[in-house]
Amino acid sequence: DAGITQSPRHKVTETGTPVTLRCHQTENHRYMYWYRQDPGHGLRLIHYSYGVKDTDKGEVSDGYSVSRSKTEDFLLTLESATSSQTSVYFCAISELVSTDTQYFGPGTRLTVL
Amino acid sequence: AQKVTQAQTEISVVEKEDVTLDCVYETRDTTYYLFWYKQPPSGELVFLIRRNSFDEQNEISGRYSWNFQKSTSSFNFTITASQVVDSAVYFCALSEATPVRESSASKIIFGSGTRLSIRP
Repeated sequence: DAGITQSPRHKVTETGTPVTLRCHQTENHRYMYWYRQDPGHGLRLIHYSYGVKDTDKGEVSDGYSVSRSKTEDFLLTLESATSSQTSVYFCAISELVSTDTQYFGPGTRLTVL
Repeated sequence: AQKVTQAQTEISVVEKEDVTLDCVYETRDTTYYLFWYKQPPSGELVFLIRRNSFDEQNEISGRYSWNFQKSTSSFNFTITASQVVDSAVYFCALSEATPVRESSASKIIFGSGTRLSIRP
């Protein structure tokens, strides 16, 4: 199994508060991704990173920001959480190019009240 | 535009039956990749297979087999002699070819998933 951890695994927060989710990998993979999973939508890409300090937007990036200061860590921040951001968030990594197989972390269940 | 359709929202079969999960995709690319992932009740996403568009050979791995047909834009997944442990949500996904710029991540488009229940 790919060495990917996510923290926290569960979080309940209130509307308007900032939230940061962390993804940590031990595989030294270049690409890292954040997805959200919602019923009926499969997984949708929020942001991705193709190297340290190199990030770009995915298809549902509004309301989210990311940072990658080290190869192994990729942070997802909700600046001001809203109820529509209640979801399960998955981090993924791929080794070289982004069409390599993506391996997923265990997920973080976020509830925004 | 890329699209992945998993028309079967839920399937329920009795243990030891064979079951096929359908996946139909749309893309204008000539080079692309197809994936299947399994999401058991515990919630993690488990990679099952990656197939590129130039390799139309069917793949078999134990009780699992995949049938890739470009003519019908389908990449179906069959479980033979199903077991209760096969109960999960299964996702099919499509990725376009390696992008020209390294900064551009190829989009991976996921289908909405098929929930498979295996009854003892």
